[in-house]
Amino acid sequence: AQTIHQWPVAEIKAVGSPLSLGCTIKGKSSPNLYWYWQATGGTLQQLFYSITVGQVESVVQLNLSASRPKDDQFILSTEKLLLSHSGFYLCAWTRTGGVQNTLYFGAGTRLSVL
Amino acid sequence: GDSVTQKEGLVTLTEGLPVMLNCTYQTIYSNAFLFWYVHYLNESPRLLLKSSTDNKRTEHQGFHATLHKSSSSFHLQKSSAQLSDSALYYCALSDRFGDNSKLIWGLGTSLVVNP
Repeated sequence: AQTIHQWPVAEIKAVGSPLSLGCTIKGKSSPNLYWYWQATGGTLQQLFYSITVGQVESVVQLNLSASRPKDDQFILSTEKLLLSHSGFYLCAWTRTGGVQNTLYFGAGTRLSVL
Repeated sequence: GDSVTQKEGLVTLTEGLPVMLNCTYQTIYSNAFLFWYVHYLNESPRLLLKSSTDNKRTEHQGFHATLHKSSSSFHLQKSSAQLSDSALYYCALSDRFGDNSKLIWGLGTSLVVNP
């Protein structure tokens, strides 16, 4: 069975500090990977997606970047956090073929920027 | 561009009453793929229903929805609400034969079922 693990579960960070959020998928080779963000009271907003190692496409920038260093790993990061980065970050995967297949989400990371 | 509208941000119901959450969409593509995802508190969002077939009812876990391309709608229904149905429900759209890298999401409808 496939599992998706996100870390950390929650973060409280200062404005201007760096951030790194991670996501690992086990039990599925070559998944399509996605980063989503949900502001408090807002809808799900897709940030990035990746269909293969080393390749990441940006959907919405938000002064964040993403990387896929391994087939099963997806990293979201920034060197300088803004207040507007607060929210809930979700990693997700689908099998090859994209979002018309089921999106499987991780448990998410709650980020508070102060 | 493509869009999804969920006109109710919050729906409050008494247990046992029927549920109907509205979802309408706009797309230039005739082959739309519509989804309902549900997000329970302290859990990950997960797929509830999906459909790309016009006028065909799809069902799962007591919920059902029918894609009506003539009215660009994919409303979520359930005959009798349960307390455990309280959650955030998202309607989403994909172009079936086009870009499969992202979904267009509605703003979500929070369903609260009271005893």
